[in-house]
Amino acid sequence: DTGVSQNPRHKITKRGQNVTFRCDPISEHNRLYWYRQTLGQGPEFLTYFQNEAQLEKSRLLSDRFSAERPKGSFSTLEIQRTEQGDSAMYLCASSRPAGLNYEQYFGPGTRLTVT
Amino acid sequence: AQSVTQLDSHVSVSEGTPVLLRCNYSSSYSPSLFWYVQHPNKGLQLLLKYTSAATLVKGINGFEAEFKKSETSFHLTKPSAHMSDAAEYFCVVSDSGNTPLVFGKGTRLSVIA
Repeated sequence: DTGVSQNPRHKITKRGQNVTFRCDPISEHNRLYWYRQTLGQGPEFLTYFQNEAQLEKSRLLSDRFSAERPKGSFSTLEIQRTEQGDSAMYLCASSRPAGLNYEQYFGPGTRLTVT
Repeated sequence: AQSVTQLDSHVSVSEGTPVLLRCNYSSSYSPSLFWYVQHPNKGLQLLLKYTSAATLVKGINGFEAEFKKSETSFHLTKPSAHMSDAAEYFCVVSDSGNTPLVFGKGTRLSVIA
């Protein structure tokens, strides 16, 4: 069990550029979640997947955001035309299927700074 | 809609004294409740969870929480604080552990030597 990994750990980009983050969940975890955490706040839910199916998207996930999990393993979160308000820590978590140990395990996060 | 209110944004205690971090929740049905801890530059770690079994839940590192439905509370306690407990603590509510989590704003715990 190597834990949830996220890459890159830090990303600095200029306003208007596109960025993509990657999350690798714990193997055999079929649910994968994305959250966003701004300074001084708790994480806020963005979206989650069961295998390759995207089950729910938060209203926080504007049209500039897109998430994929094409083979039901790793996931990517892309932000197009970044804005300064997108600066935050982007957290990924994974969990086992329903009925088993279902707590979410979090990765270390990707810190995005938009200048 | 579910929500969580952490009643203190910052709590400061002396090493060796008890810790109390307060949390109230709102949920239209029987929720799952969690406490997560976040140390600086580290990922979120689950401390403990309540999932409709025993109302007194024991977690890691000596932490406990009691689910009180009548008070809609889920306060986190520890009998004796250690310096290593200094961190940000989040109270969390969810339908179950593997559905989207709703986090409180966090309570920063400082431990004074």
